[in-house]
Amino acid sequence: AQSVAQPEDQVNVAEGNPLTVKCTYSVSGNPYLFWYVQYPNRGLQFLLKYITGDNLVKGSYGFEAEFNKSQTSFHLKKPSALVSDSALYFCAVRPSNTGGFKTIFGAGTRLFVKA
Amino acid sequence: DGGITQSPKYLFRKEGQNVTLSCEQNLNHDAMYWYRQDPGQGLRLIYYSQIVNDFQKGDIAEGYSVSREKKESFPLTVTSAQKNPTAFYLCASSELSGVASTDTQYFGPGTRLTVL
Repeated sequence: AQSVAQPEDQVNVAEGNPLTVKCTYSVSGNPYLFWYVQYPNRGLQFLLKYITGDNLVKGSYGFEAEFNKSQTSFHLKKPSALVSDSALYFCAVRPSNTGGFKTIFGAGTRLFVKA
Repeated sequence: DGGITQSPKYLFRKEGQNVTLSCEQNLNHDAMYWYRQDPGQGLRLIYYSQIVNDFQKGDIAEGYSVSREKKESFPLTVTSAQKNPTAFYLCASSELSGVASTDTQYFGPGTRLTVL
């Protein structure tokens, strides 16, 4: 079965420290990978995506993610966390063999950045 | 939240009632989607539409219905057949680039539905 796993329900980090939010996936075919962020009672905002090419993808608000095909991972990173980064983060994958319209979302990881 | 609006923001429904959630986009996107979000779970696809007058069931379509009469509008009706409708509902849209798997989805602000 195709799936996305975010192994941590919550990640706590101090402001100014680097942060990592983990994501692993299991899909057949080429995976197209996305990260979204959600603030309370709001819709999801797009951060970045990996389609092809360079394994390190840079996105909005200083976030980046590294695609690792051998480990089937797509971890989200930021060199220096801000309190305003505190939110719910979703990893998502669109398998290339489902017609392209079905997105599989992870359960989400809540990031808490302490001042 | 870009150019996607959802209304109302909060909706209360009595058991046995049908309710309709509105979704409008001014991004000129061809594809539109409805998702349901429950606490501790990822988003689950209810319905999607690639073009006007066409839509497809997602993973949890039972108890829901949609229409796509205009490109910019994709309303969702939660019927009395949906046994557990209390949830946060998100609408999204995307361009169709020819490789749909790579298209970014843009989300509306959501509607929180509560069954009384």
